[in-house]
Amino acid sequence: EVQLVQSGAEVKKPGESLKISCKASGYSFTSNWIGWVRQMPGKGLEFMGIINPADSETRYSPSFQGQVTMSVDKSISTAHLQWGSLRASDTAIYYCARHTRSSGGWRLLDFLGQGTLVTVSS
Amino acid sequence: QSVLTQPPSASGTPGQRVTMSCSGSSSNIGSNTVNWYQQLPGTAPKVLIYNNNQRPSGVPDRFSGSKSGTSASLAISGLQSEDEADYYCTAWDDSLNGNWVFGGGTKLTVL
Repeated sequence: EVQLVQSGAEVKKPGESLKISCKASGYSFTSNWIGWVRQMPGKGLEFMGIINPADSETRYSPSFQGQVTMSVDKSISTAHLQWGSLRASDTAIYYCARHTRSSGGWRLLDFLGQGTLVTVSS
Repeated sequence: QSVLTQPPSASGTPGQRVTMSCSGSSSNIGSNTVNWYQQLPGTAPKVLIYNNNQRPSGVPDRFSGSKSGTSASLAISGLQSEDEADYYCTAWDDSLNGNWVFGGGTKLTVL
């Protein structure tokens, strides 16, 4: 069974750093890219970027380029999302998701983690 | 401002058929397949429709999807109270080295 299990909720102050995690199981971690999606309070879903666990190639959505860093640790089948200096506007739920591309060409973020709530407040 | 355009709200009574739209452009819906997610209150989104009109196992056939040109739609027949949720369309966008784009979501209210 494919599972993406994310780290727990975080409460941080503006200016602090943070790294959240997403542990994959039930499939070969390096076979599928991992994406990250933000959901701000009461708002919709926003795609942040995607990373290839096989070689750590990244593609960031323009809105998030330079704002966050995606990484992976293949040895523990875990993807990470990190901030160097948090702002109040980073308060949101962050979901990781497995990216699947079929032989027929269609793409899908097919399995999502349970989400990590990040609260940034002074 | 989301790249894909969805109406912010929709409503229906139990048993009714409801449809919701998703409008994009040639670089996303026009070139790639459309997926739909259902997000129940307080939960993570789950895949409802993929590859324009395919349902994952476990999704009732009351839910159906279609695509034409640069637009897509989701239909729910035999509306039930448990269908009250937010619905998001998404598609891969071939511009800017490739990215997922989402609609702003449609909040479905079952009256």
